Amino acid sequence: AQSVAQPEDQVNVAEGNPLTVKCTYSVSGNPYLFWYVQYPNRGLQFLLKYITGDNLVKGSYGFEAEFNKSQTSFHLKKPSALVSDSALYFCAVRDGGSAGGYQKVTFGTGTKLQVIP
Amino acid sequence: AAGVIQSPRHLIKEKRETATLKCYPIPRHDTVYWYQQGPGQDPQFLISFYEKMQSDKGSIPDRFSAQQFSDYHSELNMSSLELGDSALYFCASSLSLGAGYTDTQYFGPGTRLTVL
Repeated sequence: AQSVAQPEDQVNVAEGNPLTVKCTYSVSGNPYLFWYVQYPNRGLQFLLKYITGDNLVKGSYGFEAEFNKSQTSFHLKKPSALVSDSALYFCAVRDGGSAGGYQKVTFGTGTKLQVIP
Repeated sequence: AAGVIQSPRHLIKEKRETATLKCYPIPRHDTVYWYQQGPGQDPQFLISFYEKMQSDKGSIPDRFSAQQFSDYHSELNMSSLELGDSALYFCASSLSLGAGYTDTQYFGPGTRLTVL
C-alpha cells in the first residue's frame, strides 16, 4: 500500500518570505513523487516530480522540492512567496517498483497555502 | 500545449438519474484515469484504462462504469445517482512508457456534478 501525509492543513507565509509545504510518504517500492497545485474551482496542475537522480527537483513557477529518502519526505519549497501562489497543494505518490496495476496516484489531504501581502 | 478536455464542466442531476462524463486525453496519451474529489477532500482514484482495457480499479461504486474508446477518449457512466455522488470528477491522462509503466499524469479541469 502507498500513502502520503501532509501534516499541515494550512500554511501562512508573508509575501517575499520563503515557503515550505511538508510531505511524507510511504511506499513499498521505489517512490515516484509529485506535487500538484489546485486553484479554486480548477483542475490539478502538475508542478514537479521526483523519479530518480538529484534529490533537489526544480519545477514550475519557481517551486522546488527536496527528496529525502531517510526521512521519507518530499517537501515543497520556494525561496520567495508570491500572493498568486495562494492555492491548495497536493503531494502525491506512486509505487515505481511495480508495473501494471500499480500506476494509480495516491494523494495527500492537501495543504492550503495562504500568502499574505 | 493541448491539455486534457472534460465535458461537461458542470452537470446537475436529480437523485436516481444517470450521468455520463467524457474525457479527451492529451494527444498521443494512451492511459486515462478517473478521480473523484468530494468537497474539501483529496482526489480519490476510481478507475484507469490503458489501450481500451481496464488497468486498475479503485473505489468506484458498482453503480458506475467506464470505458475507453479506440480514439483513447473515455466515458464515465454513473447510474442511480445519490446525493453523495456530488463531487468534482477529474480525468487524467498519461503516456505509457512500456512494460506497464506510465509517465506523469496530467489532469483535466474536472466536471462538477451536483445531485439534487
